Amino acid sequence: NAGVTQTPKFQVLKTGQSMTLQCAQDMNHEYMSWYRQDPGMGLRLIHYSVGAGITDQGEVPNGYNVSRSTTEDFPLRLLSAAPSQTSVYFCASRARNTEAFFGQGTRLTVV
Amino acid sequence: AQSVAQPEDQVNVAEGNPLTVKCTYSVSGNPYLFWYVQYPNRGLQFLLKYITGDNLVKGSYGFEAEFNKSQTSFHLKKPSALVSDSALYFCAVSGRRALTFGSGTRLQVQP
Repeated sequence: NAGVTQTPKFQVLKTGQSMTLQCAQDMNHEYMSWYRQDPGMGLRLIHYSVGAGITDQGEVPNGYNVSRSTTEDFPLRLLSAAPSQTSVYFCASRARNTEAFFGQGTRLTVV
Repeated sequence: AQSVAQPEDQVNVAEGNPLTVKCTYSVSGNPYLFWYVQYPNRGLQFLLKYITGDNLVKGSYGFEAEFNKSQTSFHLKKPSALVSDSALYFCAVSGRRALTFGSGTRLQVQP
């Protein structure tokens, strides 16, 4: 039972580079979300999805894109990496009004 | 829009003593409330939730939480703290979009 799988675990990017963080879940959950975690700021919502083909912006969406072509996958794309995007990124999935299950996180450094 | 406040950045307690980590929330309608724990360099682990029913909710690792509607609070408690409970704790509320998290409280249990 894999749960929520995020890849990669670590990544270093140069300013201006693009990349995709992968997230997959095998629990058939409708809801998926991406958060970033920065010291002293908790988890802030970047983008979320309430089902395949449906995505929307969270609190801090600028510089990120998402898509949800299948129930299982919810990739996060950094369009042109900036040092301000250095953070730990978490993907989560859940059924409606239940607890969320989190991936192990991706530690991203932009230099 | 919903919000969560964790007023203490850090809580220090001696091993064997009771602990409380505070959380207050703001949400329209009935609240769905959650506590998560994060150990260093790990993802978030679900501890417990309040959806409806008894105001005292029991969860994993001996933790419990008390829901108080009049005070809009959902404090996390444990009767006897362990050194291994030292971690970062997050309170969260469920909205239509995704979970909204507090800024986190670091719990330090001294031997």
